[in-house]
Amino acid sequence: QVQLQESGPGLVKPSGTLSLTCAVSGGSISSSNWWSWVRQPPGKGLEWIGEIYHSGSTNYNPSLKSRVTISVDKSKNQFSLKLSSVTAADTAVYYCARARVMGYYYYMDVWGKGTTVTVSS
Amino acid sequence: SSELTQDPAVSVALGQTVRITCQGDSLRSYYASWYQQKPGQAPVLVIYGKNNRPSGIPDRFSGSSSGNTASLTITGAQAEDEADYYCNSRDSSGNRGVFGGGTKLTVL
Repeated sequence: QVQLQESGPGLVKPSGTLSLTCAVSGGSISSSNWWSWVRQPPGKGLEWIGEIYHSGSTNYNPSLKSRVTISVDKSKNQFSLKLSSVTAADTAVYYCARARVMGYYYYMDVWGKGTTVTVSS
Repeated sequence: SSELTQDPAVSVALGQTVRITCQGDSLRSYYASWYQQKPGQAPVLVIYGKNNRPSGIPDRFSGSSSGNTASLTITGAQAEDEADYYCNSRDSSGNRGVFGGGTKLTVL
């Protein structure tokens, strides 16, 4: 079955750019799914960051849109997140997930284990 | 602020039934999905659509919806059900995802 694995630096300096990759295994990133990023600051709830379709179409959280870029690499079967101008408020566990969007249905049925990113000098 | 509203905390006696609710205008257009998250773990999908359970989710979990409110019901709560529960849907425009603030379930 499909599995997702996040990777990237665990420590990013303030004002720098957070870069994470999600490797998709057991299935094709070109399938009819949206590939998503979700984050969770320490002790807080889940926050939807954005999503990408294999065609390259993207949707972003308006509160992060000016700083977020999500891209897809079909040759490597992976997708990536870049978040610029980070501050301590961006410290969180970052998850990638597969989202199904079909009519009235929307759900994330496969999740990565998550990766902790700390913003600190 | 979240476009989906959940009670921050709910408790239930072992073996009893508990309902966790999620309110939001977008729920008139999209079904909510529900996720269970235990400390230090990734969220797990427990209910999606009208009332669908992924493989491996016990049948004591069920979902329902009415107007702008979606509900997750656990019938005969077990100790292992103690966790945070999040609802999720699209926003009213359909262009982005949104989560509720989460409900901490305590099984007494």
